[in-house]
Amino acid sequence: EVQLVESGGVVTQPGGSLRLSCAASGFTLEHYTMYWVRQSPGKGLEWVSLISWDGISTKYADSVKGRFTISRDKTENSLYLQMNSLRTEDSALYYCVKDANSGSLGSWGQGTLVTVSS
Amino acid sequence: QPVLTQSPSASASLGASVTLTCTLSSGYSDYKVDWYLQRPGKSPRFVMRVGSGGIVGSKGDGIPDRFSVLGSGLNRYLTIKNIQEEDEGDYLCGADHDSGSIYAYVFGTGTKVTVL
Repeated sequence: EVQLVESGGVVTQPGGSLRLSCAASGFTLEHYTMYWVRQSPGKGLEWVSLISWDGISTKYADSVKGRFTISRDKTENSLYLQMNSLRTEDSALYYCVKDANSGSLGSWGQGTLVTVSS
Repeated sequence: QPVLTQSPSASASLGASVTLTCTLSSGYSDYKVDWYLQRPGKSPRFVMRVGSGGIVGSKGDGIPDRFSVLGSGLNRYLTIKNIQEEDEGDYLCGADHDSGSIYAYVFGTGTKVTVL
């Protein structure tokens, strides 16, 4: 059974940094394209970043480009999102998502909450 | 990249049918759309992908047969027949735009489905 468990969400101040983690089980993470997607009450669902199955390609939404970095660790079977220069508008529930082998967002974790506030 | 438009709400009586629409912006009639269900307080769940020719690939895990899709022009439809209480929630559509150098995954604002 596919399981994705996010962690690392906290309350932090603008300008701060945070690293989110996603522990995957039930599948080998490096065989799939993986995504981070966030959801906030005011903005709905927003795709944040992806890392391709082969690890060669990473993509970012314009809103986070240059501030966030996606990565993975095959020994830990985990996905990460390094978030720097945080802004209040980055406040959201962050989901780790596994590709459904088609570009669809197939399996979602339960999310981890990031709050950026002074 | 495409813009996806959804009606904010829909309702149906228990056991009836409802059809939801996700409309792609002009020029994107060949795009596929993914449907997701988000129940209150839960994570989104993949339902299925639809193109202009109908379903693409397989349904999401555990999605019952009463869920079906169609595509026509700029519209992508999700129909729920014999709607049940557990079908209540927000239905979101999404689409990926990959031109090689530019990638984006965009979402509609969702349709809240109420079972009466």
